[in-house]
Amino acid sequence: NAGVTQTPKFQVLKTGQSMTLQCAQDMNHEYMSWYRQDPGMGLRLIHYSVGAGITDQGEVPNGYNVSRSTTEDFPLRLLSAAPSQTSVYFCASSLGLAEAQYFGPGTRLTVL
Amino acid sequence: AQSVTQLDSQVPVFEEAPVELRCNYSSSVSVYLFWYVQYPNQGLQLLLKYLSGSTLVKGINGFEAEFNKSQTSFHLRKPSVHISDTAEYFCAVSDPGKRDDKIIFGKGTRLHILP
Repeated sequence: NAGVTQTPKFQVLKTGQSMTLQCAQDMNHEYMSWYRQDPGMGLRLIHYSVGAGITDQGEVPNGYNVSRSTTEDFPLRLLSAAPSQTSVYFCASSLGLAEAQYFGPGTRLTVL
Repeated sequence: AQSVTQLDSQVPVFEEAPVELRCNYSSSVSVYLFWYVQYPNQGLQLLLKYLSGSTLVKGINGFEAEFNKSQTSFHLRKPSVHISDTAEYFCAVSDPGKRDDKIIFGKGTRLHILP
């Protein structure tokens, strides 16, 4: 079992560029989430999904899009990168929204 | 909505000394409580969880936590820390009684182990 995998590990973008952060899990979890981690802010929920075809916004959704076409994959799209999106991004999966989350290794994104 | 407070942003402690990392949550009829550890440049790893039952929960790496409903606390303890425990620790809470309730994370406590 690979658990939750994320690619890439590191990425540098210029302001205005777009990109997709990839996330996959092999635990057959229905629930998947994207968080961003910033110093002193803890983890903040960006978007989440309760199953294939169903997504919803979290605490800080602006500037990000998600889709969930399969149970395994939950990509996060940055439409037009801004320096405020410089952060470490974590994908997580779980059996339920209130259940223990299993995290990927993270993607460190820098927007210049 | 639930909220969680980690009272200390940093805790320095000497190697082989005991440590307690404090966590308080807002009151609710039902709660799930979690502690996660994040080693440098890694993702978060589940240390332990309280869902129901015994209020003393044992986790990995010798850590344990006690659920105290009257004080709405879930403090994490270890009797003797090692250099390898240097990490950031996150407390998290959710309310399983509320539909669509999500896990809320605290802002984290950095544990510094002094030689």
